[in-house]
Amino acid sequence: GAVVSQHPSWVICKSGTSVKIECRSLDFQATTMFWYRQFPKQSLMLMATSNEGSKATYEQGVEKDKFLINHASLTLSTLTVTSAHPEDSSFYICSARDRAGREGLYEQYFGPGTRLTVT
Amino acid sequence: AQSVTQLGSHVSVSEGALVLLRCNYSSSVPPYLFWYVQYPNQGLQLLLKYTTGATLVKGINGFEAEFKKSETSFHLTKPSAHMSDAAEYFCAVSLTGTASKLTFGTGTRLQVTL
Repeated sequence: GAVVSQHPSWVICKSGTSVKIECRSLDFQATTMFWYRQFPKQSLMLMATSNEGSKATYEQGVEKDKFLINHASLTLSTLTVTSAHPEDSSFYICSARDRAGREGLYEQYFGPGTRLTVT
Repeated sequence: AQSVTQLGSHVSVSEGALVLLRCNYSSSVPPYLFWYVQYPNQGLQLLLKYTTGATLVKGINGFEAEFKKSETSFHLTKPSAHMSDAAEYFCAVSLTGTASKLTFGTGTRLQVTL
């Protein structure tokens, strides 16, 4: 149980286009999902916190108009990179918080990541 | 605010040798601490976590970590390394459990040699 999927697993796009990445919780409901960005050989940096039915909360320095997040249902959150540029190339990872609070503690489960390359 | 420092971006051990990955944290309140493992081009998998109670935490794949408040440390150990342990390891801290934001360390790449 507690599986999080991401689609696509990798994507190549041209500079100036937009790319949508999906994050799904497959067997649980997630009121909160988190989006991270990871540069090569570096740690994960939290970009934003996505809450179902409300606006996402962005971390300082993250452009909300460039990284559009939508959390329309309890199992799906999307991240759209608008007008992508080569510097947006990165590994994007989402995680989902289990609404049910397994073991009395909300767990955070990570997706497999999406590698974005902007040419 | 909380932060995590992982000493050593790269650790190399021989197969069968002790694995020790260091993590120190800074937190204004009692922290929740986590270790995650990441294999190439994959997401993160939780190895173990400390919330409250016993300070020695056992996780998957034979790993364990000990929370030492006096040293603000949460080092990860495994008695005998296996080739399959080669991966990137991240220490993370949260103030109120995984429901809140995780702050990650910079990661330690573990190499296991024959």
